[in-house]
Amino acid sequence: SQTIHQWPATLVQPVGSPLSLECTVEGTSNPNLYWYRQAAGRGLQLLFYSVGIGQISSEVPQNLSASRPQDRQFILSSKKLLLSDSGFYLCAWSVVGGFYEQYFGPGTRLTVT
Amino acid sequence: AQSVTQLDSQVPVFEEAPVELRCNYSSSVSVYLFWYVQYPNQGLQLLLKYLSGSTLVKGINGFEAEFNKSQTSFHLRKPSVHISDTAEYFCAVNPSNSGYALNFGKGTSLLVTP
Repeated sequence: SQTIHQWPATLVQPVGSPLSLECTVEGTSNPNLYWYRQAAGRGLQLLFYSVGIGQISSEVPQNLSASRPQDRQFILSSKKLLLSDSGFYLCAWSVVGGFYEQYFGPGTRLTVT
Repeated sequence: AQSVTQLDSQVPVFEEAPVELRCNYSSSVSVYLFWYVQYPNQGLQLLLKYLSGSTLVKGINGFEAEFNKSQTSFHLRKPSVHISDTAEYFCAVNPSNSGYALNFGKGTSLLVTP
């Protein structure tokens, strides 16, 4: 069966510090991968998606970037965090060529202080 | 552009009562529809999905939803809720020509009390 991991689970970082969140998927090959941010009361905002190694599409211009160095690894980064980057970050995957339901990881709670 | 509207931000209900969480969407093309549940500080879990065929879809935990094309709705129902159903519920739409993106509603917070 497929599983998706995210770490760390929680993170407290000062403004201006760098960020690296990691997501890995097991039990499937060549998945589509997604990063979402969830702010309180605002639903889910798609940040990035990837259909293959090195292929990243950005949905929203922002202070963040994403990379996919391996087939089942997706990384969310920032060089300098802003207060507005605080939120709950969710990674998800879907099957290529499927009906696009997405399966979510447990999330990372980021607090920028 | 496609959008999803969850009409209620919060729904309080007593245990063992029925509940309906409303979802409407706008799209000029056919869509795939999903409901997800999120428990506090956890990721989203797929409850059910409508792809095609029967408009009444049954999911996990006793939930079901009905696709109504004429009303562009996909309301979620459960005949008798439990305390453990307290969570955030998200409706999502994937237009058939979009490729990758799910459009999510802003969520409905279901609070079940004794």
